Amino acid sequence: AQKITQTQPGMFVQEKEAVTLDCTYDTSDQSYGLFWYKQPSSGEMIFLIYQGSYDEQNATEGRYSLNFQKARKSANLVISASQLGDSAMYFCAMREAPGNTPLVFGKGTRLSVIA
Amino acid sequence: GAVVSQHPSRVICKSGTSVKIECRSLDFQATTMFWYRQFPKQSLMLMATSNEGSKATYEQGVEKDKFLINHASLTLSTLTVTSAHPEDSSFYICSAREQRGVGTEAFFGQGTRLTVV
Repeated sequence: AQKITQTQPGMFVQEKEAVTLDCTYDTSDQSYGLFWYKQPSSGEMIFLIYQGSYDEQNATEGRYSLNFQKARKSANLVISASQLGDSAMYFCAMREAPGNTPLVFGKGTRLSVIA
Repeated sequence: GAVVSQHPSRVICKSGTSVKIECRSLDFQATTMFWYRQFPKQSLMLMATSNEGSKATYEQGVEKDKFLINHASLTLSTLTVTSAHPEDSSFYICSAREQRGVGTEAFFGQGTRLTVV
């Protein structure tokens, strides 16, 4: 079974608008971490935001926020005030306990920001 | 912040030759590094976990004799693609973390785009 599901292969958003990228996850662990990474066409993986399973507040980092709904096992990424430079692939990932385990990635969502 | 450096960023090799890819943690020690492979328009798939001073742990379906991993020091892991064939052409990327908790981000190398001709 897939541990990370991203159901949107591609999304379009108008510049300066907000966009939500969906992510649901599957785990039986109580302790886990959820991550979002951005991958531009160059291939590098850029860390955006992290949410811990025990965090009560939704994580925010600048224009990025994570809408964490634990009961629904969802961790959607919200990008506010989209910019042309936000066009890229976005991956949701999870790490389960114990801590030194690899990230498991979803299939990604390609975001295109339109001027 | 912590940085992971991967080299080379791009390599073209002839079928049947071997290619070595290096992954270095520049300002922290990494007892464990991870190697991923990414085909075009697909996600990152874990190939193996590289452990300093011991054998790597390979994911199911990954040939350990073809993808040799050596984690010789706390800052260097290498992936050698042996007897490369065109189907090995892909984007290979490594990652490492400083701490063991679930919460610390993984830093990624820049990736290596391998083309086997």
